[in-house]
Amino acid sequence: KQEVTQIPAALSVPEGENLVLNCSFTDSAIYNLQWFRQDPGKGLTSLLLIQSSQREQTSGRLNASLDKSSGRSTLYIAASQPGDSATYLCAVTGGSNYKLTFGKGTLLTVNP
Amino acid sequence: GAGVSQSPSNKVTEKGKDVELRCDPISGHTALYWYRQSLGQGLEFLIYFQGNSAPDKSGLPSDRFSAERTGGSVSTLTIQRTQQEDSAVYLCASSQGGGPDTQYFGPGTRLTVL
Repeated sequence: KQEVTQIPAALSVPEGENLVLNCSFTDSAIYNLQWFRQDPGKGLTSLLLIQSSQREQTSGRLNASLDKSSGRSTLYIAASQPGDSATYLCAVTGGSNYKLTFGKGTLLTVNP
Repeated sequence: GAGVSQSPSNKVTEKGKDVELRCDPISGHTALYWYRQSLGQGLEFLIYFQGNSAPDKSGLPSDRFSAERTGGSVSTLTIQRTQQEDSAVYLCASSQGGGPDTQYFGPGTRLTVL
């Protein structure tokens, strides 16, 4: 059974810092890995999707890497801003139904 | 175009009552998923619909849970004889379908069972 772990569970940083969120998964038979953002009381917003054959994806200040063989991914956020404060969720797609298996998330607080 | 919509946004019910949650996927998306987000449990897969194929119900936690998708579009998740442990946020997602495409999520329905 696929298990996804995210470390740390919570992170508080001052504005302007670069930071890294970590995600690990136990079964490397995945199609892709997605990073999502969830704001309080809201649904999920997809940030980046990395195909299993890719090593990284970039979008603006966000860069996600994937090492499928070791079961790890990182989300790098450059020059953090208070508006980046949210819960960041990592999820892998696998199985015949392409369901997402999620980690429990990292709660990020960026202080002005 | 419009994203995934869900209704109601909040539902409070008494233990033992039945509830229905609705999801309107993005137009043209053939795949639809239901997930549940519980405190301390994280997000868990419940059920998957793809086109006219039989749904994958492997994530449903008990036979009190059922879902249908009419006309390949709108889906309804029904929970019968609700229990307090059913309290959670129920999220619906849709994707273009047929493969591991990006899933787009609705805002969710927060269910509270008293």
